[in-house]
Amino acid sequence: NAGVMQNPRHLVRRRGQEARLRCSPMKGHSHVYWYRQLPEEGLKFMVYLQKENIIDESGMPKERFSAEFPKEGPSILRIQQVVRGDSAAYFCASSRLQGRRHFGPGTRLTVT
Amino acid sequence: DAKTTQPNSMESNEEEPVHLPCNHSTISGTDYIHWYRQLPSQGPEYVIHGLTSNVNNRMASLAIAEDRKSSTLILHRATLRDAAVYYCILRDVAKGSGNTGKLIFGQGTTLQVKP
Repeated sequence: NAGVMQNPRHLVRRRGQEARLRCSPMKGHSHVYWYRQLPEEGLKFMVYLQKENIIDESGMPKERFSAEFPKEGPSILRIQQVVRGDSAAYFCASSRLQGRRHFGPGTRLTVT
Repeated sequence: DAKTTQPNSMESNEEEPVHLPCNHSTISGTDYIHWYRQLPSQGPEYVIHGLTSNVNNRMASLAIAEDRKSSTLILHRATLRDAAVYYCILRDVAKGSGNTGKLIFGQGTTLQVKP
């Protein structure tokens, strides 16, 4: 059973470009969580999604950030008009009904 | 969610037991105690969780105080691969608690294992 997959593993964007981060949950998991880890800091919750629904987006910045988890396909975290402060590691996790979280290897975003 | 307090860092020698403490004095009756760890440059991984009774699995043991205001993660024989940041997290699963299921990570304890 493959674990949580994230791609790309590394992403470089210039200021003002868009970044799209993908997360494929484990088979049978319908709950996805996104976290951000800034350099030398802890993990910060961003958003919790269930298939086609956003359950909790209390950690999402109000502008430029959006997330979706369509009926088919991976969950996408989208960052528009990236700025240097968006440089971080972005982790997603998946679970069955609020069970144990399985985390992916992360996407490291660098904004130049 | 109730808060947890952990030491910033701890050191251990290889092949010796490690006891990682966590204080959670404001824990509620429906809070589960979860432990995750994050190895360098990797995503967090689940270690163990419990409610009231002590728990054992292949990775570690979780000892929970009788009043549940503190707990200890026990690694029975530390290896170099156990060097990581260990997070103690409370999650309230009661309906109406307002918890939507997200895990809130604190700063954790950075464990160094010396050969």
